[in-house]
Amino acid sequence: GEDVEQSLFLSVREGDSSVINCTYTDSSSTYLYWYKQEPGAGLQLLTYIFSNMDMKQDQRLTVLLNKKDKHLSLRIADTQTGDSAIYFCAESGAGSYQLTFGKGTKLSVIP
Amino acid sequence: NAGVTQTPKFRILKIGQSMTLQCTQDMNHNYMYWYRQDPGMGLKLIYYSVGAGITDKGEVPNGYNVSRSTTEDFPLRLELAAPSQTSVYFCASSPGQGFGKLFFGSGTQLSVL
Repeated sequence: GEDVEQSLFLSVREGDSSVINCTYTDSSSTYLYWYKQEPGAGLQLLTYIFSNMDMKQDQRLTVLLNKKDKHLSLRIADTQTGDSAIYFCAESGAGSYQLTFGKGTKLSVIP
Repeated sequence: NAGVTQTPKFRILKIGQSMTLQCTQDMNHNYMYWYRQDPGMGLKLIYYSVGAGITDKGEVPNGYNVSRSTTEDFPLRLELAAPSQTSVYFCASSPGQGFGKLFFGSGTQLSVL
C-alpha cells in the first residue's frame, strides 16, 4: 500500500527555524497536508498544498513540495514553545476519501 | 461553536464487552470518519461515511461497526472487545470538497483489559 514516512523527533531552540520533512510513495497524490496534534487533543489542520504547486506560504509556515522526489517539508519560522507538538504529514489520492498519515514528528522547542 | 464532539473521553473495557463511541458534529458536514491512533503510529481509517445512510470500510474495519442515521451523528460500535482494540479513537468530519480538510474531535482513549 501507499506509505508516508517522517522522522520521529526534532528538537530546536526557541527563535530558530524548524524544518520537518516527509516522503510519500503515492504518485497520484492530489493534496498533501500538515496536521498538528497538541497533547491530549485531536489533530488540527495546519496547512495543505495541491500537487501542482511547489511552495505555499502562510504567515510563519512555508510548505515546499518536490513532486519528482515525492518530498514534502514544513518550515516553521521563529519557532515558539507553543509550537511544541506532533506534526503529521498526510496525503490523499485523486478522488479518494482516505488520507494516508505518517507516524508524526514530535517537535520539542527548547526555551 | 462545538465542532466535533466525542464521548466518552476515557473508557476501560473487559475482554468480550461491547460499547459504543459517540460522535456528533454541528457543522453540517456530509463526510465523517473514524480513525484509530496507536502509540508512535499514524492514524488508520476504520470506517467513513459520505452522508446519512451511507457508510464504507476503511483500512482497519474488523471488530467495528458503524451507522449513520443523521448528518450529525456517526457512532462507532465495538463488539466483543479485544486487547488489540486498545487505542485512541478519533472522529472527524469534513465538508466534502477537499477531502483531507478534516475537523477532529478530541478523542476517546480506550483500554481493553
